Amino acid sequence: NAGVMQNPRHLVRRRGQEARLRCSPVKGHSHVYWYRQLPEEGLKFMVYLQKENIIDESGMPKERFSAEFPKEGPSILRIQQVVRGDSAAYFCASSPGELPHEAFFGQGTRLTVV
Amino acid sequence: QQQVKQSPQSLIVQKGGISIINCAYENTAFDYFPWYQQFPGKGPALLIAIRPDVSEKKEGRFTISFNKSAKQFSLHIMDSQPGDSATYFCAAFSGSRLTFGEGTQLTVNP
Repeated sequence: NAGVMQNPRHLVRRRGQEARLRCSPVKGHSHVYWYRQLPEEGLKFMVYLQKENIIDESGMPKERFSAEFPKEGPSILRIQQVVRGDSAAYFCASSPGELPHEAFFGQGTRLTVV
Repeated sequence: QQQVKQSPQSLIVQKGGISIINCAYENTAFDYFPWYQQFPGKGPALLIAIRPDVSEKKEGRFTISFNKSAKQFSLHIMDSQPGDSATYFCAAFSGSRLTFGEGTQLTVNP
């Protein structure tokens, strides 16, 4: 049973480009959480999604960031017009129910904006 | 109020020693306190967790001590091993959200 799969593992984007980060949850998990980890810092909650629904996006910047978890396919975190400050590790976690404290984490996508 | 403060930022321990990491919180709505272990290049993995109605929980060499009145909790790693070298995060849960501490980079020297 595969764990949470994130891709790509590393992503380099120039300022102004778009970054698309993908997360395939554990099979059977319908709840997905995205976190951002800046260098030397802890994880910061961004957004909580269920299939086709955004449950809590209060941790997401109001502009340039969006997330979706469609009925079929992976969850996508999209960052438009990236800036240097977006450089970070982005982690996705999944759980079978509303259990973020028991969710399994992926290995993360490390975004570098040059 | 949503913050979780973690210390120390880094910790060096000799093999066989005890590693102690501390966390403090303000929000009394937090009702579950997990600890995560993260190796370089990997995602965090749940290590051990405690609810506030329990003062201590032990799993193998890992123990959480919880002081509800002081709003503090700590992770103790007994007989620390070089393989324990990693970054450790405390967290607190309320509603549908996890709030993480800043992390402690633990190095266990052989």
